[in-house]
Amino acid sequence: KNQVEQSPQSLIILEGKNCTLQCNYTVSPFSNLRWYKQDTGRGPVSLTIMTFSENTKSNGRYTATLDADTKQSSLHITASQLSDSASYICVVSPNFGNEKLTFGTGTRLTIIP
Amino acid sequence: GAVVSQHPSRVICKSGTSVKIECRSLDFQATTMFWYRQFPKQSLMLMATSNEGSKATYEQGVEKDKFLINHASLTLSTLTVTSAHPEDSSFYICSATLGLGNEQFFGPGTRLTVL
Repeated sequence: KNQVEQSPQSLIILEGKNCTLQCNYTVSPFSNLRWYKQDTGRGPVSLTIMTFSENTKSNGRYTATLDADTKQSSLHITASQLSDSASYICVVSPNFGNEKLTFGTGTRLTIIP
Repeated sequence: GAVVSQHPSRVICKSGTSVKIECRSLDFQATTMFWYRQFPKQSLMLMATSNEGSKATYEQGVEKDKFLINHASLTLSTLTVTSAHPEDSSFYICSATLGLGNEQFFGPGTRLTVL
């Protein structure tokens, strides 16, 4: 069964600090992995997308890594800001032609001043 | 990135009534649209896949007669929750894609509350 597990479930850090969120997946076959940011009461917004051949992808203060061998990914946020408070969702896409995404349950990140 | 809108953003209705939610791709033609449901503190669950001009494909456990989906044009898909009940209260999110292998762009979601 395709699964995406994220940890921690929730995280609280001080503004300005860095943090790393984890994602483990068992989706096969694998096409790409995406990290989304979802603000409360809003739809997900894409942060990064990586194919199996990519090890790292950055988007401003967000840096995602992917190890396709161990089926692990991480999202590192540097110099956190209050606006980073949101849920971060790891989403895995199977091979081309199968559009059903597998969503992780997300990590709820809270930045406190 | 491409923009997907949903309307309304929030709706409150009485039990037994029907509610229609619209999903529009504003700056691209979406051959495929997806409808998701998200309960509090849970991940998005796919309800159905909608292709323009054809019948929607529903996921196991999703009643097609209760959740009517119409994808009449390349920029609009509608989800109608018929005879809504309190257990249908949820956050409904649509996404749209140009086609197979392309990224899904998500709408902002619709909060449905059934009293």
